[in-house]
Amino acid sequence: EDKVVQSPLSLVVHEGDTVTLNCSYEVTNFRSLLWYKQEKKAPTFLFMLTSSGIEKKSGRLSSILDKKELFSILNITATQTGDSAIYLCAVPVNFGNEKLTFGTGTRLTIIP
Amino acid sequence: DVKVTQSSRYLVKRTGEKVFLECVQDMDHENMFWYRQDPGLGLRLIYFSYDVKMKEKGDIPEGYSVSREKKERFSLILESASTNQTSMYLCASSGPGTGYEQYFGPGTRLTVT
Repeated sequence: EDKVVQSPLSLVVHEGDTVTLNCSYEVTNFRSLLWYKQEKKAPTFLFMLTSSGIEKKSGRLSSILDKKELFSILNITATQTGDSAIYLCAVPVNFGNEKLTFGTGTRLTIIP
Repeated sequence: DVKVTQSSRYLVKRTGEKVFLECVQDMDHENMFWYRQDPGLGLRLIYFSYDVKMKEKGDIPEGYSVSREKKERFSLILESASTNQTSMYLCASSGPGTGYEQYFGPGTRLTVT
């Protein structure tokens, strides 16, 4: 059965700290891994990773994939209160359609 | 900009009522999805549709049905609402130009009393 596991489930840090969020997966026919950020409403897309070892970066956020060890990390440096959100990791399953399996998410809270 | 809209942000219904949740997307996407989101359980797929009148069960279809009569609209139906269907419901869409990326609506928080 395809599985995506995120850790930790929740994290509370102070503004300015650096955080690392983890996502491990077990899927057949791995093609890519996606990260989303969910504040109060709809999840919004952050990154899609397909190649191992290549970092994707957007401002203070970066993510990398390890296809050998079957995991990805999302790093956020110099955290701000606006980074408080649920971070979701997902992988496509069932080749032939775009169905995604999501992890449980990590709830990140930044204290001013 | 892709826009996915959902008919209600908040909804309160009584046990046994029939509930309709509607989702509309404006990007001509083939694929549409309904998820529910519960604390500690993440997003779980209820149903999805990859074409008009086509539907497939997701991981938790029990107690739900769907309808897709037009490409832009995907409806989730709770035939007889129960308290364990109290949840956040999220709709999403994707198409050939989006890769695996799904675009989400703002969600409907449904409370069944």
